Amino acid sequence: NAGVTQTPKFQVLKTGQSMTLQCAQDMNHEYMSWYRQDPGMGLRLIHYSVGAGITDQGEVPNGYNVSRSTTEDFPLRLLSAAPSQKSVYFCASSTSGTVNSPLHFGNGTRLTVT
Amino acid sequence: AQSVAQPEDQVNVAEGNPLTVKCTYSVSGNPYLFWYVQYPNRGLQFLLKYITGDNLVKGSYGFEAEFNKSQTSFHLKKPSALVSDSALYFCAVRDTTDSWGKLQFGAGTQVVVTP
Repeated sequence: NAGVTQTPKFQVLKTGQSMTLQCAQDMNHEYMSWYRQDPGMGLRLIHYSVGAGITDQGEVPNGYNVSRSTTEDFPLRLLSAAPSQKSVYFCASSTSGTVNSPLHFGNGTRLTVT
Repeated sequence: AQSVAQPEDQVNVAEGNPLTVKCTYSVSGNPYLFWYVQYPNRGLQFLLKYITGDNLVKGSYGFEAEFNKSQTSFHLKKPSALVSDSALYFCAVRDTTDSWGKLQFGAGTQVVVTP
């Protein structure tokens, strides 16, 4: 059972470039989310989805887009990379039905913006 | 609005000694509380949660946490630390009246267990 799979593991972008971070889960989880982790700031929610076709903004959504066309996949798109978007990005999923379900995390994508 | 504080950036403990990682929270309603652990170059792993009921919650790898409503705390504990417990620990809180999106994480506490 693969769980939550994120690709790529590392990425270097130049300022202004766009790219998509991929996230896939094989647990049939309805809820999926994207976080960014920065030193001393914990994890901050970027966007989340409670099911296919449904997305919503989190705490720090600016500069990012998401879509949810299938239950399994939840890609995160950086529209125009900025140095402030240098971070480690985590995708997480959980079962639906109750908001006290624990999150299952991928291993992260480390993004550098030059 | 909800918030969570982990007052210690780092906790150092000798192997075999008790380990405590502190967490305090603030919510307008009742809290759902979680602890996660992160090993180097990995995602976070769920340790335990408090939803309701018994204030002492037992979780994975011998960890437990005590919910204290009057002190708004949810400290993580382990009676005898192992070197393999060295990792980054995160407390998280969600108000029971809030939607899916509002799980708030603390800044994290680095635990270093020395042999």
